[in-house]
Amino acid sequence: GAVVSQHPSWVICKSGTSVKIECRSLDFQATTMFWYRQFPKQSLMLMATSNEGSKATYEQGVEKDKFLINHASLTLSTLTVTSAHPEDSSFYICSAGGLLQETQYFGPGTRLLVL
Amino acid sequence: DQQVKQNSPSLSVQEGRISILNCDYTNSMFDYFLWYKKYPAEGPTFLISISSIKDKNEDGRFTVFLNKSAKHLSLHIVPSQPGDSAVYFCAASEGYGNKLVFGAGTILRVKS
Repeated sequence: GAVVSQHPSWVICKSGTSVKIECRSLDFQATTMFWYRQFPKQSLMLMATSNEGSKATYEQGVEKDKFLINHASLTLSTLTVTSAHPEDSSFYICSAGGLLQETQYFGPGTRLLVL
Repeated sequence: DQQVKQNSPSLSVQEGRISILNCDYTNSMFDYFLWYKKYPAEGPTFLISISSIKDKNEDGRFTVFLNKSAKHLSLHIVPSQPGDSAVYFCAASEGYGNKLVFGAGTILRVKS
């Protein structure tokens, strides 16, 4: 299957700082990238969908000014958690899909801990 | 409002036997269904998918069955192996390549 990477794999930051998470499709062009969040023992909840070169579409209840998504190229999307607070601590996972892909391929996830 | 439901939080199966994981959905617009396997602190790994024009899709030890009238799908793993122990998520979308709605997951434990 296709390979999607995420960086960093884990991050610890102080409350009030911003954190950027990168998602890269390594061997295919991702026309669409998705960002998910998973709390312990819960399912993956879609936060937003981004198409290359256009603004992201956010799911209901997700603050677009807090979770900034940029999809500047067909291989890279970034999620920036601005002014992070402890309640933003979670496991963030991206996925990438392309026109020739059977499914979305998921990155390994980023564990964020806000102190 | 859970559009995709996996009502069994966990399942325990003996090695070599069949594992059956179930999933129900409520949105009649869903026409593409997928199963993912996930280990803790890792991203989901795609297993198998099925579109609504089919009622069965098979890939090695994995078979997915779709019953559209019942809005139900199931994943059969046979024979089950200890390495299959993981969390299995059912997901659905309206159209191929669109956003996925996930179920809550089922923890599968295969005992040797």
